[in-house]
Amino acid sequence: QQQVKQSPQSLIVQKGGISIINCAYENTAFDYFPWYQQFPGKGPALLIAIRPDVSEKKEGRFTISFNKSAKQFSLHIMDSQPGDSATYFCAASLNGRQLTFGSGTQLTVLP
Amino acid sequence: DAGVTQSPTHLIKTRGQQVTLRCSPKSGHDTVSWYQQALGQGPQFIFQYYEEEERQRGNFPDRFSGHQFPNYSSELNVNALLLGDSALYLCASSPGPLSGNTIYFGEGSWLTVV
Repeated sequence: QQQVKQSPQSLIVQKGGISIINCAYENTAFDYFPWYQQFPGKGPALLIAIRPDVSEKKEGRFTISFNKSAKQFSLHIMDSQPGDSATYFCAASLNGRQLTFGSGTQLTVLP
Repeated sequence: DAGVTQSPTHLIKTRGQQVTLRCSPKSGHDTVSWYQQALGQGPQFIFQYYEEEERQRGNFPDRFSGHQFPNYSSELNVNALLLGDSALYLCASSPGPLSGNTIYFGEGSWLTVV
């Protein structure tokens, strides 16, 4: 019940396109949903996060859409750039406890 | 303002040995968590320290232990190393253990067990 399922495993997008990564969770008690970006050899960097009382949050080119009833949330990267090529992880936590991560999506943005 | 700093960056150990990894949290952060990230996988929670005590623990054996010092820095110790312990070990810090507090990760310590 602590699992977070992420898809797709890999994604190739043309420059300027929209990248969409999806996550689903089981535990309805999760109350914090961040997305992290990780470049090879680096630690995860927080991109954007949302709480379940909000259906959408936008920061620059990054948007989280949250569907509480479906227990799903997604990351949308608008106007994708080659510099966005990285691995993206969704995560969830409960009451400030450990982050449970998805399995990651390797995004490649073609020039 | 320095972020989360970890040391060493890379290290190689022999099976059966012991290793200590170190972490300094971001300025103003008092909660430190440790994660293990195997190649090609998402980070897995090991444990969290707050007020020098282990507050939460993931599904890791007792060979994994830790400590938090009064200045909020932390150590991760792994005894009797196994080949499967080879991974990137990430330290994360936050300003308190409450949900929604932004959690920042360090660059990690790459451990190779041979």
